[in-house]
Order: sequence, then C-alpha cells, then structure tokens
Amino acid sequence: EAGVTQFPSHSVIEKGQTVTLRCDPISGHDNLYWYRRVMGKEIKFLLHFVKESKQDESGMPNNRFLAERTGGTYSTLKVQPAELEDSGVYFCASSSRQGLRFQYFGPGTRLLVL
Amino acid sequence: GQQVMQIPQYQHVQEGEDFTTYCNSSTTLSNIQWYKQRPGGHPVFLIQLVKSGEVKKQKRLTFQFGEAKKNSSLHITATQTTDVGTYFCAGPGGSSNTGKLIFGQGTTLQVKP
Repeated sequence: EAGVTQFPSHSVIEKGQTVTLRCDPISGHDNLYWYRRVMGKEIKFLLHFVKESKQDESGMPNNRFLAERTGGTYSTLKVQPAELEDSGVYFCASSSRQGLRFQYFGPGTRLLVL
Repeated sequence: GQQVMQIPQYQHVQEGEDFTTYCNSSTTLSNIQWYKQRPGGHPVFLIQLVKSGEVKKQKRLTFQFGEAKKNSSLHITATQTTDVGTYFCAGPGGSSNTGKLIFGQGTTLQVKP
C-alpha cells in the first residue's frame, strides 16, 4: 500500500509570497492531519480533517493559513502571505477510522521563508 | 493548555550503552504513542500503550506507561548506530479523542560507533 505523500519536498520562498503544500493520504483514510515542526522543536498540531470536514483547526496559527480537503481525498495547506516564522517542516499524517489511532506520517515539506 | 514534556533533549552515547527517554504529561492520558524520526526523515509509529502500568518490548526497546497514565519511558538496551534519531512521545489532545496528537519535544539520540 502506498504511504502518505507530500509535495513539494522543499520550498524556498520570500516573505510575502504564497506557498501551497499538498498531501495525499493513504487511500481510504478518512482522517487527515497537518502538523508543523519548527527549528527542531516539538511537532505541533495544526488541524484535522475527517473526510472533507474540518474536525479541529485549533492549531492553525492565524488566518494566513488555509487548509482544504475538497472531495475528502488530498488536502492542501496554503500560506498567504508567508512570514519568516512560518519556516519549518510541515508534516501530513493520516489514519483510518477503525482500529488504533496511530498515524502514518508523510515525508514532510521543508519550507524556508527568506 | 495540555503539555507533554520530554527529557533529555539530547543524548550522546557510545555504541553498546543503554539509553532512556522520559515523557511526562500535564494531564492523564488515555494512551501514549511513541514515534521515531530518523535524521532527515519523518515520524514513524513505534508503539501505543493503553493500560496503566503497561510494559511492552520490541527487541531491545522497552516501553512503559506509568500507573497514573501521566508518564512514560522508552529504554533502549545496548544501543546500535541504527538507533540514531529523534524519539517522540505523543498523547491524544483535547477531551474528545479525535486523534489529534500532542507531541513532546523529542529526545535526539546520537550513537558513537
């Protein structure tokens, strides 16, 4: 079974620009999560989708971040306009509804805002 | 808010030495999960502990969940260079178990051959 995939793997942009990150969860996984790890610190929750609905977006830093999951398949996370403090690694994870609620993480997108 | 603290932040050991990382939650957890992230990689699920006082082993790795379900530890016996990476503990966040995870800061393990 294919794992969680993310695109792009790296992105370098200037402050004020827009970046869109994409995540394709494991097929059939209703639950999709976005996390961010900044400068070797802890992995912080951003938001959680169940199918196409936002279940919990309490971790979204501010309104410069917009996440979507149209159709309940892949998800995008847009940062507009990007600020220096948005730099970090953005991980997507997915899990199935039944069974253990551990999560399969994607390889991450390393975002650097200059 | 809910916090998960992990110590130490870094640990350098000689190959063959043992290693332990400790995790403490500010709240009682229904379960605790452990993940490993290799350098440049992504977190990979290792194990989930659910019961108070539970102990689980995976080869050289021993995981414990405290009696009060607020702390946990991961112990590696006779470390190998393949053990290098950052080990994270994570507990469910919020009152409803939606799957959201609160991670500790991680313990980065370096093993000298």
